[in-house]
Amino acid sequence: GAVVSQHPSRVICKSGTSVKIECRSLDFQATTMFWYRQFPKQSLMLMATSNEGSKATYEQGVEKDKFLINHASLTLSTLTVTSAHPEDSSFYICSARVRQGASDEQFFGPGTRLTVL
Amino acid sequence: DAKTTQPPSMDCAEGRAANLPCNHSTISGNEYVYWYRQIHSQGPQYIIHGLKNNETNEMASLIITEDRKSSTLILPHATLRDTAVYYCIVLLRGYYNTDKLIFGTGTRLQVFP
Repeated sequence: GAVVSQHPSRVICKSGTSVKIECRSLDFQATTMFWYRQFPKQSLMLMATSNEGSKATYEQGVEKDKFLINHASLTLSTLTVTSAHPEDSSFYICSARVRQGASDEQFFGPGTRLTVL
Repeated sequence: DAKTTQPPSMDCAEGRAANLPCNHSTISGNEYVYWYRQIHSQGPQYIIHGLKNNETNEMASLIITEDRKSSTLILPHATLRDTAVYYCIVLLRGYYNTDKLIFGTGTRLQVFP
């Protein structure tokens, strides 16, 4: 399958600072990228969908000014958690949709664990 | 909301087949059944998908009932490394697909020695 990377894999920051997480599709161009968040012992929750060159579409209840998404190219999307607080501590996972054969398939990155002190 | 129902947990002895059920009684005719798994602290990994025929690949087999209201993922010879949370998801498939992967609670499979 296609490879999706995330950087950093783990980050610890102080409350009030902003953190940027990168998601890259390594060997393909992604038509769409997705950002998920996962709290301990819970399932993945979709935060937003982003397409290259356009504004992200956020799921209900997700603050777009809090979680800034930039999708500058077909291989890179970034999620910036602005003014992070301890309740933003979570596992953030991106995924990328790629065209394969007669359809689109979706592959996931390894995740980024954010800890806000 | 997730359109599937799965048991919260299952156990399986190493070397035995693990059969993970999934109910998707409201599935529409053009929705596929996808299975992903998530090993602790990793991103989800694609396993298999199908529409109405049974499917098999190097990881698993997928059995879909004739009425498509339920399916079973089969890991033929479970190993300790198969311990993970398994998610069954129904999804439209095709070019310019705007459907989104929505994860339910999944089944936590514990493989024991």
